Amino acid sequence: DGGITQSPKYLFRKEGQNVTLSCEQNLNHDAMYWYRQDPGQGLRLIYYSQIVNDFQKGDIAEGYSVSREKKESFPLTVTSAQKNPTAFYLCASSITDGGTSYNEQFFGPGTRLTVL
Amino acid sequence: GQQVMQIPQYQHVQEGEDFTTYCNSSTTLSNIQWYKQRPGGHPVFLIQLVKSGEVKKQKRLTFQFGEAKKNSSLHITATQTTDVGTYFCAVDNYGQNFVFGPGTRLSVLP
Repeated sequence: DGGITQSPKYLFRKEGQNVTLSCEQNLNHDAMYWYRQDPGQGLRLIYYSQIVNDFQKGDIAEGYSVSREKKESFPLTVTSAQKNPTAFYLCASSITDGGTSYNEQFFGPGTRLTVL
Repeated sequence: GQQVMQIPQYQHVQEGEDFTTYCNSSTTLSNIQWYKQRPGGHPVFLIQLVKSGEVKKQKRLTFQFGEAKKNSSLHITATQTTDVGTYFCAVDNYGQNFVFGPGTRLSVLP
């Protein structure tokens, strides 16, 4: 089955610790995205990558970091600098046409991060 | 970057009633997407609109793109309890990514 996997589904961390969220896709999509969703809110873009070894900041990149060493993988690190890290994190991927992302996004099941 | 609004924020309907949510942008859009997120789930793509004035239907769902390509609507006829969730529009952000609206949360009373 093709799709996007995120692990773990629930994650608990102590304040001040960095934590890395996993996102893997086997859809052969070039573009991958990380979003943050707070309760009752919309999706806010953290980082996105349209090609391996390249990524761009989204609207709320402060306190987060990413890497894109492989096409299939786009891990997100929530650093201790992120002031309010407790949220629902969603990873997505899409096809690009010559570097433009006009196509539907496929979302993973998400990771609910709680920082205690 | 792009700014997008959705109204209403919440809508409560009785099962069988119709429902409409609107998505508005201050700029002309190249395309717009609609997603549905069930409670506790992740967003699922519903449709993409590209042409001015375009109307697309999926069973009880009707999607429309405004003539000026600055707004869009999603209309559900005769809602069912399975329609419960949050409906998001997403607008193209200069071909780099998409900006999601805040969503309209629909609850359907049986």
